[in-house]
Amino acid sequence: EPEVTQTPSHQVTQMGQEVILRCVPISNHLYFYWYRQILGQKVEFLVSFYNNEISEKSEIFDDQFSVERPDGSNFTLKIRSTKLEDSAMYFCASSVDTNTEAFFGQGTRLTVV
Amino acid sequence: GESVGLHLPTLSVQEGDNSIINCAYSNSASDYFIWYKQESGKGPQFIIDIRSNMDKRQGQRVTVLLNKTVKHLSLQIAATQPGDSAVYFCAETSTGRRALTFGSGTRLQVQP
Repeated sequence: EPEVTQTPSHQVTQMGQEVILRCVPISNHLYFYWYRQILGQKVEFLVSFYNNEISEKSEIFDDQFSVERPDGSNFTLKIRSTKLEDSAMYFCASSVDTNTEAFFGQGTRLTVV
Repeated sequence: GESVGLHLPTLSVQEGDNSIINCAYSNSASDYFIWYKQESGKGPQFIIDIRSNMDKRQGQRVTVLLNKTVKHLSLQIAATQPGDSAVYFCAETSTGRRALTFGSGTRLQVQP
């Protein structure tokens, strides 16, 4: 069964450092997303990406965040200068179309120290 | 240590019983709804979805009911099993949007 894969599963970084979280969406999907979940809280939308551009983003997705699809398979989330409050689980998701089921990866746990 | 964050409502049921998990939403423009299951340390897993032109949809052991009048969504799990123990989230979106808005979640505990 096709699945969304994310690497690494856990990333520890020092405050102020840049991190890149990687995702391989399901191959025939066209819409890609990043969500985050702070420990014990609900899942929050960050950004959606379609046709090589951002199609929607939340207030959380400020100038410190960027996304990229560097090749035909990977989808990345970069945080330029991490803050302690960026510590969370980051989930990548993909879907065939909008308003269809989005499939989530297993997540990357980001710990900023 | 002390946990920080939202206190999840918990539904505790006996194995074999039926479970009903509820969700209220606020956006009257929402027209697509999904239930996700999240096990500890894993990503949300799709269970079932429903569009606003329907009020009921059934899957394998699961049924979703949608009441647009009161903006309420429920997930019914028949013959609940220990493997159903997880946190369940409803999520909503509307035509033209990309983002899913997730609810706060309900923890389902199945007692053997």
